[in-house]
Amino acid sequence: ETGVTQSPTHLIKTRGQQVTLRCSSQSGHNTVSWYQQALGQGPQFIFQYYREEENGRGNFPPRFSGLQFPNYSSELNVNALELDDSALYLCASSRQTGGFYGYTFGSGTRLTVV
Amino acid sequence: RKEVEQDPGPFNVPEGATVAFNCTYSNSASQSFFWYRQDCRKEPKLLMSVYSSGNEDGRFTAQLNRASQYISLLIRDSKLSDSATYLCAVIRDDKIIFGKGTRLHILP
Repeated sequence: ETGVTQSPTHLIKTRGQQVTLRCSSQSGHNTVSWYQQALGQGPQFIFQYYREEENGRGNFPPRFSGLQFPNYSSELNVNALELDDSALYLCASSRQTGGFYGYTFGSGTRLTVV
Repeated sequence: RKEVEQDPGPFNVPEGATVAFNCTYSNSASQSFFWYRQDCRKEPKLLMSVYSSGNEDGRFTAQLNRASQYISLLIRDSKLSDSATYLCAVIRDDKIIFGKGTRLHILP
């Protein structure tokens, strides 16, 4: 069984640009969550997708948006990048919502905004 | 106040010693509780779930106190390879809420 894969692994963007990060969920998982982890902080919840619908959102502005596809892979889009968006972006998948089945994390995309 | 709070450390502990971390959570609606381990520049990996009855996995023991809303992790006979950041996590409304993490350095 394949785990959660994220692409790209590293990315450098300029302030004001847009970025799309991708996540392939683990086989059999239909729920994907996205987290932002700034240096020295714990991961912060951005949003969750369950069966292609947004199923919860954290305290992030609308320029953070997402999609989930029929194969349960997901994208995170960030518009109008700011310097503070520099962080490790983590994707986690699980078999169902509720967290009782456990979350598997991808290795993350490290985004640097200059 | 953060929903999940941890002492950021660092905890500098000699190899072989016992070390304990606590974590407090503020929302009584929190449903499930976990400890994750995160190595430098890597993703978090599930260390263990935490139950009210307490649970043990080798050198690691986790405990949940719902009345006082805290979670603990005890590491016995610490190894150099235990050096990492330990993240406390709770599940609330189907999402994981993490603490900032506690950094642990095991000293030879």
